[in-house]
Amino acid sequence: QVTLKESGPVLVKPTETLTLTCTVSGFSLSNARMSVSWIRQPPGKALEWLAHIFSNDEKSYTTSLKSRLTISKDTSKSQVVLTMTNMDPVDTATYYCARILAAAGNLFFDYWGQGTLVTVSS
Amino acid sequence: DIQMTQSPSSLSASVGDRVTITCRASQSITNYLNWYRQKPGKAPKLLIYATSSLQSGVPSRFSGSGSGTDFTLTISSLQPEDFATYYCQQSYSIPLTFGGGTKVEIK
Repeated sequence: QVTLKESGPVLVKPTETLTLTCTVSGFSLSNARMSVSWIRQPPGKALEWLAHIFSNDEKSYTTSLKSRLTISKDTSKSQVVLTMTNMDPVDTATYYCARILAAAGNLFFDYWGQGTLVTVSS
Repeated sequence: DIQMTQSPSSLSASVGDRVTITCRASQSITNYLNWYRQKPGKAPKLLIYATSSLQSGVPSRFSGSGSGTDFTLTISSLQPEDFATYYCQQSYSIPLTFGGGTKVEIK
């Protein structure tokens, strides 16, 4: 059974760094066809892909936030970590981690975590 | 970055109705287009991948079509659990991008 679970602070102050952890089970982060992404959704708004990391440690980031994001993984712990620096109230959102499955060049999110709401406020 | 535009942004429909949602890409994405349904307070759920392939366990009332820049998601007979928000997502190029969503409401 594939599961993903996000963990991290529910409240951060402006200018602080956010660190979120995604713990996965039911698959290995060393599987070449699978990877993990982070996606966020501000309240009442659309989904926004943030970053992903593949089994070979290849990383990609969304253009607008690239300078603030770092994604990493610990395969032995089955964890993927996202850090976002210089948090601002506009970064208030539900943050999801999701498994990406690669098939014939297409990348899609087939399993999602439940999401964690992060509020940025002083 | 490839921009994904969904239309309409919202619609009202009744149980049993046939519903069509459109997604347009700012450039050709061949068939690298996926669809998700999100119920309030829940994580999105994959419905269709690669334009027209039904994800395992997803009812056959959902179907997808299109190629290049224009794609559609069709629900042949709307069910109560289908009142939700739908998102398209392209994977032709990084960064991966989602459409703005289509909210399907009860008429």
